[in-house]
Amino acid sequence: EVHLLESGGGLAQPGGSLRLSCVASGFTFGDYAMAWVRQAPGKGLEWVSTITSTGSSSDYADAVKGRFTVSRDNSKNTLYVQMNSLRAEDTAIYYCAKGGAVIAHPFDHWGQGTLVSVSS
Amino acid sequence: DIQLTQSPSSLSASVGDRVTITCQASQDIANYLSWYQQKPGRAPKLLIYDAYNLETGVPSRFSGSGSGTDFTFSISSLQPEDIATYYCQQYDDLPFTFGPGTRVDI
Repeated sequence: EVHLLESGGGLAQPGGSLRLSCVASGFTFGDYAMAWVRQAPGKGLEWVSTITSTGSSSDYADAVKGRFTVSRDNSKNTLYVQMNSLRAEDTAIYYCAKGGAVIAHPFDHWGQGTLVSVSS
Repeated sequence: DIQLTQSPSSLSASVGDRVTITCQASQDIANYLSWYQQKPGRAPKLLIYDAYNLETGVPSRFSGSGSGTDFTFSISSLQPEDIATYYCQQYDDLPFTFGPGTRVDI
């Protein structure tokens, strides 16, 4: 059974940093692209970033480009996102999601999410 | 970026009713469209992928259709456990985008 478990959320000050992690199990992690999707309180879903199975390529939403960096350690079955220069509008639940062997693939499994709050 | 519009934004129906939601893309996305269900306080769940394929384990009362720019999601007979918000998502091109969601109530 596929399982994704996020951690690392919490309260950060504007301009601060956080690193989220997502530990995967139940599938061959290194064979699949992974993504971060966020949801601001009471709002819809927003794709944040995707990284290929090998980690050789990644892409970002314009809202986070230059501030967030996605990475993965396939030996640890773990996905990361380093979030710098945080803003109030980054406040959201951040979900880790499993993609496919190719980028053009839906997100077939999701973690339970981790809450990031940015406030002074 | 590819924009997705959904309608209606919310609906209220009775148990047993057929429910239909539409999703329109701002450009041709072939069949690279999925539908997700999100219940309050829960993570989204994939229901439909490639516009009309039912994800494993999803009840057959859920269905999807369409291609190009116009897509439809249906629940053939609404059940109490279907109360949720439903989102379409395109994965034809980055940045991936979601529709604004449709809230379904009974």
